[in-house]
Amino acid sequence: DSGVTQTPKHLITATGQRVTLRCSPRSGDLSVYWYQQSLDQGLQFLIQYYNGEERAKGNILERFSAQQFPDLHSELNLSSLELGDSALYFCASSAGGLGTEAFFGQGTRLTVV
Amino acid sequence: ILNVEQSPQSLHVQEGDSTNFTCSFPSSNFYALHWYRWETAKSPEALFVMTLNGDEKKKGRISATLNTKEGYSYLYIKGSQPEDSATYLCASGDDYKLSFGAGTTVTVRA
Repeated sequence: DSGVTQTPKHLITATGQRVTLRCSPRSGDLSVYWYQQSLDQGLQFLIQYYNGEERAKGNILERFSAQQFPDLHSELNLSSLELGDSALYFCASSAGGLGTEAFFGQGTRLTVV
Repeated sequence: ILNVEQSPQSLHVQEGDSTNFTCSFPSSNFYALHWYRWETAKSPEALFVMTLNGDEKKKGRISATLNTKEGYSYLYIKGSQPEDSATYLCASGDDYKLSFGAGTTVTVRA
């Protein structure tokens, strides 16, 4: 158990809908990363937060947004869902910056039908 | 987003043999290099984080080296065992972004 909790584990929704994925980082970790893994693709960096502030953005679509709350949990919001958004979404947390290892949650499997 | 490349994409190794594979990353603006082990149906687990040129790290039969000047890292597995079968990911970080390579999938045959 990495100490990072992601909910829900599985999510099935229709095209055009909006969903929220939740991540609770390890106790004390200030950084949260979000990644997308589509079929036959590697881990694609979406966005990173540190202590409530957005620090880095990757290939995140405009239909996607995220935030990190004062209690350090993070949410990834996906709207106007398309079939191609079906993927495994991982959250990872770390104690600080890039020099510290990241701990991954179990992921949320999103299926858009 | 950093262009992190891993080779080979996959490899098969006989139990007891040793193997190694490569991670290449941009050497400019380098901050850190991570290695993760990813087993099927699980989430990635950190093996090493290295930041200094010439760093060498070891965990059991697995070790890694780092060359930041030329932009590469090697991961070595000594005396491979079936439980070493997994995908090994490297990730390089700069400016708060931690970008992953596609991974090297290792299959150890008994």
